[in-house]
Amino acid sequence: AQSVTQLGSHVSVSEGALVLLRCNYSSSVPPYLFWYVQYPNQGLQLLLKYTTGATLVKGINGFEAEFKKSETSFHLTKPSAHMSDAAEYFCAVSGGSSNTGKLIFGQGTTLQVKP
Amino acid sequence: ETGVTQTPRHLVMGMTNKKSLKCEQHLGHNAMYWYKQSAKKPLELMFVYNFKEQTENNSVPSRFSPECPNSSHLFLHLHTLQPEDSALYLCASSLGDRNSPLHFGNGTRLTVT
Repeated sequence: AQSVTQLGSHVSVSEGALVLLRCNYSSSVPPYLFWYVQYPNQGLQLLLKYTTGATLVKGINGFEAEFKKSETSFHLTKPSAHMSDAAEYFCAVSGGSSNTGKLIFGQGTTLQVKP
Repeated sequence: ETGVTQTPRHLVMGMTNKKSLKCEQHLGHNAMYWYKQSAKKPLELMFVYNFKEQTENNSVPSRFSPECPNSSHLFLHLHTLQPEDSALYLCASSLGDRNSPLHFGNGTRLTVT
């Protein structure tokens, strides 16, 4: 079975500081991994995804994530936080060997950016 | 026009009412999904449709009834709901394979009184 654990429901950083949001996964098959962002009163927007190939994945808005199989991790980083990055972030893993395309989500991490 | 459109954006209904949520996608996708997002809980997958056929029902109570007349439209019919059903209901679509991301609508904020 597939599952995702996001460590830390709230993360607070200062503007310009490094952003690190943690995600660990469990998967019975080679995982396909995703990060999404949700702004207030909106749906989820794809930041980046890892399927195969290069383990360091670059996404939109300056975010990137690194797939580490040995650590079953897919942490999201951004070198310098901007006020507009304040939002909720979700890590997700594809739903196993089924071909429905469903995603299993973590519980989310709220990022606060202080001026 | 956005890729996935949900209507209405907000809905308040009594426990004896019947209402429907609508989702429409303009992305040419084959699969559509309903997710429920409650406060302090992970997103819960409710239903999956692939080429109009329901492929997953995640033990959802029968007071939620989905309908997918074609690959572009998805409905969620609601009746005799409970206050704990109040949540943000998100529709998504994708190509239906493991490496394709889901594209989400902005959701319907449902309040059951």
